[in-house]
Amino acid sequence: DIVMTQSPDSLAVSLGERATINCRSSHNLLYSVDNKNYLAWYQQTPGQPPKLLIYWASTRGSGVSDRFSGSGSGTDFTLTISSLQAEDVAVYYCQQYHSTPVTFGGGTKVEIQ
Amino acid sequence: QVVLVESGGGVVRPGTALRLSCVASGFAFSAYDMHWVRQVPGKGLEWVAILSYDERNNFYADSVHGRFTISRDISKNTLFLQMDSLRTEDTAVYYCVRGIATGIYRGYLDHWGEGTLVAVSS
Repeated sequence: DIVMTQSPDSLAVSLGERATINCRSSHNLLYSVDNKNYLAWYQQTPGQPPKLLIYWASTRGSGVSDRFSGSGSGTDFTLTISSLQAEDVAVYYCQQYHSTPVTFGGGTKVEIQ
Repeated sequence: QVVLVESGGGVVRPGTALRLSCVASGFAFSAYDMHWVRQVPGKGLEWVAILSYDERNNFYADSVHGRFTISRDISKNTLFLQMDSLRTEDTAVYYCVRGIATGIYRGYLDHWGEGTLVAVSS
């Protein structure tokens, strides 16, 4: 199975500041046939189910704020929150869908400093 | 809008069985892969099972293979997860999730239900 490793486990950021979350895959997620990275990001706010934020490593989901952006390719990916808002307090997960079974990173908890 | 509503969770003894249900609405249920994903409270996400849109393919996590069965009733827009021989380590919130297929048994997960809690305890 592909192992997804997120860092840091948690981070505290001031309101309005940038938050950066990293995700590393044990396998190359760039599929040469279509030149797409098979990686998604999810946000889970307290008491809620996860919500799709980003797919294909950098495509925002429906209704997702443009404060959220995804980047990276191959084995190293980043989720950036450009200007942290109170409603962004959550745990963020990356997920690979390049290979079966799909697997998730361990999560990164984002809090307000 | 897409709505997924799970039910059937509860407290059960090890070795017993439970069937989860998920009623789907707001989309063409027969056109999408459907997944179950679980989460131990306070912990991370673990993918459990997938049923392909045409029901030709299903696949399970090693941790549940041979004990859990995913199925659906198209006429009722309902997804099921039959869980047999339950273990304490199956304790988790179980989410019903719609998948966007990008390959056999693979895809990203674009809509999640609220989840139903299964607690296996002696």
